[in-house]
Amino acid sequence: EPEVTQTPSHQVTQMGQEVILRCVPISNHLYFYWYRQILGQKVEFLVSFYNNEISEKSEIFDDQFSVERPDGSNFTLKIRSTKLEDSAMYFCASSPPPGLAGGELFFGEGSRLTVL
Amino acid sequence: KQEVTQIPAALSVPEGENLVLNCSFTDSAIYNLQWFRQDPGKGLTSLLLIQSSQREQTSGRLNASLDKSSGRSTLYIAASQPGDSATYLCAVRGSGGYNKLIFGAGTRLAVHP
Repeated sequence: EPEVTQTPSHQVTQMGQEVILRCVPISNHLYFYWYRQILGQKVEFLVSFYNNEISEKSEIFDDQFSVERPDGSNFTLKIRSTKLEDSAMYFCASSPPPGLAGGELFFGEGSRLTVL
Repeated sequence: KQEVTQIPAALSVPEGENLVLNCSFTDSAIYNLQWFRQDPGKGLTSLLLIQSSQREQTSGRLNASLDKSSGRSTLYIAASQPGDSATYLCAVRGSGGYNKLIFGAGTRLAVHP
């Protein structure tokens, strides 16, 4: 069964460093998302991406964050200068075109980011 | 702005009980609703997906209902087992079919032998 894959599963970084989290969405999906979950808190929407551009972003997704689909298969989230409060689990998700699979979002296993 | 609330926040029950977890949402213009399971420190496992036009979905011991007009969904777990212990998340997707999912804070379930 196709699945969304994320790497790395866990990354530890120093405050101020750049981090890139990678995702490979399911191959025929068109909509891509990043979410984050700070320990003990809700899963929060960060950004959605469609047709090679951001379709929506939350207040959390400030200038420190960027997304890219560099090669038609990978979908990346970059944090330019990490802060302690960026420590969280980051989830990638993808969704097929409307009408397929009931519009279900499929999630990866997550990348745990720890900022020291 | 869509808001999703889940009640109760935590639940502890003996094995074998039938359970009802509640989810409410403020904007009834939804495309679908998903229920997820999350084990501590782990990812999101999709349990059930209900389209806005549907009333319920079933998978094994799980049954989810949707009343879109009143902004409510319930997840029914029959004959609970210790292996059901996890956090259960409800999430709604806005109408349009490509919109984001908005999550509730979850119900933390503990089933003891």
